[in-house]
Order: sequence, then C-alpha cells, then structure tokens
Amino acid sequence: GAGVSQSPSNKVTEKGKDVELRCDPISGHTALYWYRQSLGQGLEFLIYFQGNSAPDKSGLPSDRFSAERTGGSVSTLTIQRTQQEDSAVYLCASSLAPLTGELFFGEGSRLTVL
Amino acid sequence: QKEVEQNSGPLSVPEGAIASLNCTYSDRGSQSFFWYRQYSGKSPELIMSIYSNGDKEDGRFTAQLNKASQYVSLLIRDSQPSDSATYLCAVSGGSYIPTFGRGTSLIVHP
Repeated sequence: GAGVSQSPSNKVTEKGKDVELRCDPISGHTALYWYRQSLGQGLEFLIYFQGNSAPDKSGLPSDRFSAERTGGSVSTLTIQRTQQEDSAVYLCASSLAPLTGELFFGEGSRLTVL
Repeated sequence: QKEVEQNSGPLSVPEGAIASLNCTYSDRGSQSFFWYRQYSGKSPELIMSIYSNGDKEDGRFTAQLNKASQYVSLLIRDSQPSDSATYLCAVSGGSYIPTFGRGTSLIVHP
C-alpha cells in the first residue's frame, strides 16, 4: 500500500480482555515504531523495531504489553488483561531509515476499554 | 529523562499573519529535530525536519534551530485557516527514537 495501514481503526473491549492491534508499514521501510496518544496528551513511545535487530522495548508501560514484527514487515501489538487506563489511540509509524527519524504514521487504532 | 517542551496554546493569529511556534528540549546530545502537524482526529504528519543550526525554509514554513540554546522553532508565513491544527515538536538523538512534545494548538481566524 501507499501508506502505513493499521487495523482495527476502532476497538471497544471489556476490562480484562486481550486485544491485538496490527500495523502494516510502508513497503521498504525498515524501522517501525509504536506510540500511543491519550486524550489531550502527547505521543508516548512504546516500542521500536529496526530490521533484524532486537526491538527497543523501553517504552512499554507494563508486562501486559508486547509486540512482535514478523518477516521485517507487519507488526502486532498485544495488550493482555486490558485496563481502563489503556484506552488511547495507538499509532504505528514507519521510517525508511532509522537515522532520520522522519516518521510516517498510520491513522491509528482507537482503543476503548469499558 | 529526555523532555521536549511546548506551550500548549492555543496560539491565535489572523489570516495572513506569521505564526511562531516554539520548542525547547533537554538532551544536549539531540541531533535531529522535526515538526509534525496533527489535525483534530487525525494522525501526525511530518512537515519539516532540521539537522543543523540555522534556518531551513520550505514554502511558507521555516524551521529554526539553535543547539546552544536547545531551542527549535517553526514559523508559518501567510497563515491560512487550513493551518489550524496542533503542531508537535519532536527531537531524537543516538537512539533514533523521537521524543515528542505535547504540541501547540494553532488557530488561524479569518
């Protein structure tokens, strides 16, 4: 595709359920980032993948959060046992090269935990 | 803790005026600086990047960087109502992970 694709665009779930969010980056982009944005807040870094290197997981807020990237392309962010404070827009971005930090964002997945 | 600070605004300017958006950062080792625009309900979109001290111009946008003062700014000339959005400053260093400010809301009124 032409841009970063994320699914689902909206997800409503009950507290305690697990959710999976998917990101398909721009073809050829080796760097992939997950951020989240709560209402009225800035972008909070979650995790960063670069090529075949070990991901930088330093932003994951708890061990309920995990992410993987298969074949250097599609990434899945998993949140286990969701809590109400997990409600946010989860943004995926990709970059052609890590040195630039010029990110191209998807439209995001809005997660609402009831 | 790397911090990027922005005035939340809103900054209100009349159509045709120059809008000046400012950002300061805490990490002296920062190497790359970015401005993103985010319309309400949409995702951020990169509009400018700057890597060395001085000014960089792109159309109606000018980014200014002063590493000694740890300060980066964005000027928007001939502001249009369509420029009304939140502008996010982002800074990255050796980790290649941009840290974002909370953004400044800009309102351009006709």
